Amino acid sequence: ETGVTQTPRHLVMGMTNKKSLKCEQHLGHNAMYWYKQSAKKPLELMFVYSLEERVENNSVPSRFSPECPNSSHLFLHLHTLQPEDSALYLCASSRERGANTEAFFGQGTRLTVV
Amino acid sequence: KQEVTQIPAALSVPEGENLVLNCSFTDSAIYNLQWFRQDPGKGLTSLLLIQSSQREQTSGRLNASLDKSSGRSTLYIAASQPGDSATYLCAPYSHKLSFGAGTTVTVRA
Repeated sequence: ETGVTQTPRHLVMGMTNKKSLKCEQHLGHNAMYWYKQSAKKPLELMFVYSLEERVENNSVPSRFSPECPNSSHLFLHLHTLQPEDSALYLCASSRERGANTEAFFGQGTRLTVV
Repeated sequence: KQEVTQIPAALSVPEGENLVLNCSFTDSAIYNLQWFRQDPGKGLTSLLLIQSSQREQTSGRLNASLDKSSGRSTLYIAASQPGDSATYLCAPYSHKLSFGAGTTVTVRA
């Protein structure tokens, strides 16, 4: 039990589908993050939310759309993805966005785009 | 841009041996550094957090050192066990967490 829960754990979707990834944290944190981990590549930061406001978008294509309705929940809406978007998507949270805070990660969603 | 390098990329040792994992980073202006463990296909588990003002941090068999000025951190795992087999990632925090490619450890029984 990491305190950060991601669903689903596995997802297979076609390029014309629309799906959403969900992340929930039970740690009382105010900052939440989406990361992408592709095979043989380091983790890439996609989006950062602090107090439910998006504060960072690292040049992510618009086919990925994040949503943070409250400080405990984070979504990643997916539409018209490409096969190269297949990866492990990881959600993380921290007490606040800034120094001296520890980040906690969920178990990830393994996404396969066919 | 922060560049993180972890050496070696892979390591295989017999059970009981001590492990030394190295991490170097290019921007020494960090606030802290975290070490994580990742099992295949799973998320990251936080192992240790070292603040920029600290030289080392210990948790059980794990000890991490930090030399901020030279941009280096080392994770020591004492008396390795097969359950320690995983990929270990270091992540210095400046304005965001930056990750290296990790060191994949195999501990042979």
